[in-house]
Amino acid sequence: EPEVTQTPSHQVTQMGQEVILRCVPISNHLYFYWYRQILGQKVEFLVSFYNNEISEKSEIFDDQFSVERPDGSNFTLKIRSTKLEDSAMYFCASNSGYNEQFFGPGTRLTVL
Amino acid sequence: ELKVEQNPLFLSMQEGKNYTIYCNYSTTSDRLYWYRQDPGKSLESLFVLLSNGAVKQEGRLMASLDTKARLSTLHITAAVHDLSATYFCAVDDSLSGGSNYKLTFGKGTLLTVNP
Repeated sequence: EPEVTQTPSHQVTQMGQEVILRCVPISNHLYFYWYRQILGQKVEFLVSFYNNEISEKSEIFDDQFSVERPDGSNFTLKIRSTKLEDSAMYFCASNSGYNEQFFGPGTRLTVL
Repeated sequence: ELKVEQNPLFLSMQEGKNYTIYCNYSTTSDRLYWYRQDPGKSLESLFVLLSNGAVKQEGRLMASLDTKARLSTLHITAAVHDLSATYFCAVDDSLSGGSNYKLTFGKGTLLTVNP
């Protein structure tokens, strides 16, 4: 069964460093998303991506964040200069547009 | 802005008992999702409810959707310890003016089933 994959599973970084989180969505899906979940809290939408561009972003997704789909399979989230409050679980998801979103296993980002 | 409210946020129950988790949302939608999350893990899809009156059952869990009341319920029958987890409902924005199917989540219900 097709699934969304994410790497790495855990990333530890120093404050101010850049990180790139990687995702491979399900191959025939059209919509791609990043969500984050701070420990013990709800899942929050960050950004959606459709037709090779950002289709919507939340207030959380400021200038420090960017997304790319550099080839036909990968979908990346970059945080340019990490802050302590960026520590969270980041989930990638994809959707064909008709039914449910499928979530990846997540990347736990720890900013020290 | 779409708001999704779940209650209760914490639920401690004994094995064998029944209980219901409620999910209210603020704007028009007929697409509602229930997910289960174990500690430190990803979101496991439980139910996709795509129309008014939809009812789905899987094992001891049953979910329903009333789009007129903007309410979904997740009913647990004869709870067992293995059901202990956090349960999230989520609504997409496809009927409330959105076009990206992004999900807005409730805060989650932490369910603990005690022997």
